[in-house]
Amino acid sequence: DQQVKQNSPSLSVQEGRISILNCDYTNSMFDYFLWYKKYPAEGPTFLISISSIKDKNEDGRFTVFLNKSAKHLSLHIVPSQPGDSAVYFCAAQTDTGKLIFGQGTTLQVKP
Amino acid sequence: KAGVTQTPRYLIKTRGQQVTLSCSPISGHRSVSWYQQTPGQGLQFLFEYFSETQRNKGNFPGRFSGRQFSNSRSEMNVSTLELGDSALYLCASSLIAGSEQYFGPGTRLTVT
Repeated sequence: DQQVKQNSPSLSVQEGRISILNCDYTNSMFDYFLWYKKYPAEGPTFLISISSIKDKNEDGRFTVFLNKSAKHLSLHIVPSQPGDSAVYFCAAQTDTGKLIFGQGTTLQVKP
Repeated sequence: KAGVTQTPRYLIKTRGQQVTLSCSPISGHRSVSWYQQTPGQGLQFLFEYFSETQRNKGNFPGRFSGRQFSNSRSEMNVSTLELGDSALYLCASSLIAGSEQYFGPGTRLTVT
């Protein structure tokens, strides 16, 4: 039972364009969401988060949008850079602090 | 400050054997969580330890176990290995339970 889903296994965009990574969740009790980035041979690193009391959070080139009614969040990267090429995981934090991750989306940014 | 370290980085075992993986958290962090990453499944939560006590547990069989020591270092053990246990095992530490998690590079386990 996948409570957090990333339905696109991969995404390819041109350098300078926008990358949009999507994530859906099923449990309406989730109230805190995070995005992690993972390079090969390294552990995931925290990128950006959003609380359910907000619908948008921005940090430089990265913006996360949350649509609670649709149980959907998305990560926008503008402009995309080749160094952004990595696997991106969205995660929901439960009330006990446990993180539930999606399957990940591999982003490739072409120069 | 040193990051989360995991040993060994790579491991090859055969079916039926057991394995122990080690995780040293960031200095001062008292919570350690373990995850299994497999292709198509993302990161699946195994368990979390805080102050030597298991605080959270995922949906894995009893062959998967863990513990935490008084210095916050943690080990996870998998007994009677199966081919499907081949995965990247990631450890994450946080200052306290529920706070931001910092991941180690993982241990790549291959079961043949």
